[in-house]
Amino acid sequence: SQTIHQWPATLVQPVGSPLSLECTVEGTSNPNLYWYRQAAGRGLQLLFYSVGIGQISSEVPQNLSASRPQDRQFILSSKKLLLSDSGFYLCAWMWGTRVTGELFFGEGSRLTVL
Amino acid sequence: AQKITQTQPGMFVQEKEAVTLDCTYDTSDPSYGLFWYKQPSSGEMIFLIYQGSYDQQNATEGRYSLNFQKARKSANLVISASQLGDSAMYFCAMRDLSGNTGKLIFGQGTTLQVKP
Repeated sequence: SQTIHQWPATLVQPVGSPLSLECTVEGTSNPNLYWYRQAAGRGLQLLFYSVGIGQISSEVPQNLSASRPQDRQFILSSKKLLLSDSGFYLCAWMWGTRVTGELFFGEGSRLTVL
Repeated sequence: AQKITQTQPGMFVQEKEAVTLDCTYDTSDPSYGLFWYKQPSSGEMIFLIYQGSYDQQNATEGRYSLNFQKARKSANLVISASQLGDSAMYFCAMRDLSGNTGKLIFGQGTTLQVKP
């Protein structure tokens, strides 16, 4: 069966420090992968998606970047964190067809920038 | 551009009663998919139910059903026989069919509290 994991679960970082959140998927190959961010009490905003190794598309201009070094690995990074980067980050992969396939999400990473 | 709107920031329901969570959408594509997710306080996103634009019948999954009214562009989630464990945030989402991304566009969510 397919599983998705992301870590770390919780992170408290000072402004200006780097960031690396990692997500891995098991049990499937060449999945579409996504990074979403959720501000407190709000909906999910898509940050990046990837349809294959080395293929990254950004949805919104921001202080973050993403990479996909391996088929089932998706990394969210920043060189210098801002206060506005605080939030709940969710990695997801798509199961099924382009129209009907649901997204399966990881456990989430809660980032607080102080 | 596609858009999802959830107008109820918060809802209360008595245990064992039914509740409807509203969702309206906007799209010019004739083919689209609509999804509902549940997010408990732990933060994980749990897929609940899917409705395709060409589906003839409303989707159902256990105590969850989707009241799909295509002409009104609404896809309301109905939870029957509410349980305390249903207390969570609920998100309506639509598949963005532009390109080949499979990405979902989410509404702002509705917080549901089930009262004992």
